[in-house]
Amino acid sequence: QQQVKQSPQSLIVQKGGISIINCAYENTAFDYFPWYQQFPGKGPALLIAIRPDVSEKKEGRFTISFNKSAKQFSLHIMDSQPGDSATYFCAASPMNTGFQKLVFGTGTRLLVSP
Amino acid sequence: DAGVIQSPRHEVTEMGQEVTLRCKPISGHNSLFWYRQTMMRGLELLIYFNNNVPIDDSGMPEDRFSAKMPNASFSTLKIQPSEPRDSAVYFCASSPTGNTQYFGPGTRLTVL
Repeated sequence: QQQVKQSPQSLIVQKGGISIINCAYENTAFDYFPWYQQFPGKGPALLIAIRPDVSEKKEGRFTISFNKSAKQFSLHIMDSQPGDSATYFCAASPMNTGFQKLVFGTGTRLLVSP
Repeated sequence: DAGVIQSPRHEVTEMGQEVTLRCKPISGHNSLFWYRQTMMRGLELLIYFNNNVPIDDSGMPEDRFSAKMPNASFSTLKIQPSEPRDSAVYFCASSPTGNTQYFGPGTRLTVL
């Protein structure tokens, strides 16, 4: 129940294309859903996050779509650029623990070809 | 701000040796987290401190692992004795309570 399932494991997209990464969860106590971006040799960094009271959140080229009934959420990267090549992790946290007890997906390695 | 600082960045040790990983959180952040990242298990939360007090250590794999936070600007994660299966990248993260976690660059541990 604590798992967050992420797909695909890897993704190759052409420059200018749309990258889509999907995540699914079971625990209905999760109410905070961030996406983290990690470059090689670096720690993960928060990219964008959403709470279940909205179905979509957009920040620049990055959009989270959230489907509460299906318990799924996804990251869309519009106009993908080579600099977006990184590993992306979805995560989820219940807020009733009093802190962000993040459960991470397994990661998606994105390669944007020039 | 320098961000979260971790040392060493790389550690190679032999099985049975004691390993100590260090973390300096961002000034003013009162929450600190230790994570482990492996190919097999991904990113896992090991322990969470709030105001220097361990709040949740349910992710600590076994008694060989211990963590301390003697003050607001320093934390250690110790493995004694170390085993090859402890090889991983260990991340420290800090946050203002309940808010975004900022990760350090990690310590890559190799136990031979």
